[in-house]
Amino acid sequence: AQTVTQSQPEMSVQEAETVTLSCTYDTSENNYYLFWYKQPPSRQMILVIRQEAYKQQNATENRFSVNFQKAAKSFSLKISDSQLGDTAMYFCAFMRGQGAQKLVFGQGTRLTINP
Amino acid sequence: NAGVTQTPKFQVLKTGQSMTLQCAQDMNHEYMSWYRQDPGMGLRLIHYSVGAGITDQGEVPNGYNVSRSTTEDFPLRLLSAAPSQTSVYFCASSRLQGPEAFFGQGTRLTVV
Repeated sequence: AQTVTQSQPEMSVQEAETVTLSCTYDTSENNYYLFWYKQPPSRQMILVIRQEAYKQQNATENRFSVNFQKAAKSFSLKISDSQLGDTAMYFCAFMRGQGAQKLVFGQGTRLTINP
Repeated sequence: NAGVTQTPKFQVLKTGQSMTLQCAQDMNHEYMSWYRQDPGMGLRLIHYSVGAGITDQGEVPNGYNVSRSTTEDFPLRLLSAAPSQTSVYFCASSRLQGPEAFFGQGTRLTVV
């Protein structure tokens, strides 16, 4: 069974700073996807970024980028030039590349951006 | 474009009561699933379906029933609510080949 671990329950940074959220996972699969989801106070689950395991290049979406270390089974999220609107819960998630699209989530990291 | 619609958004139940959480999607997605979110535990899979008439259990299925009679709808039934089922429930859908999942806005359920 796959497991996803987020070891930082809470983080807090000043606006415009860079922050990195950590995520590790355990799997015997070779073909899989990794995701970061954002959950603001509205409760909506918003996909931030996605990484395919077969791609060596780290995914980037504007101010959001990942550091994907496949051998170490590590998948961290870096938020550059943080904004007040980035305040949210962030979840790391794993999905097998084949079969039913079941997501396995980490425990979440509550990120607060201070003005 | 509605996406994934969950109703209700909030619900309070008494222990032993039954209710159905509704989930509908208009994207013709084959795969639908239900998750529950609890503090410190992330989201955990309750049940899922890969198409009409096909359902299977996830990580935490006890106390919940599902059925899938149409591609669009995937209701979650609590037969006899317990305080341990107090949680936020999310419905999600995706194409079978994935990988992006689309989530509803969630239902906050309190069982007293």
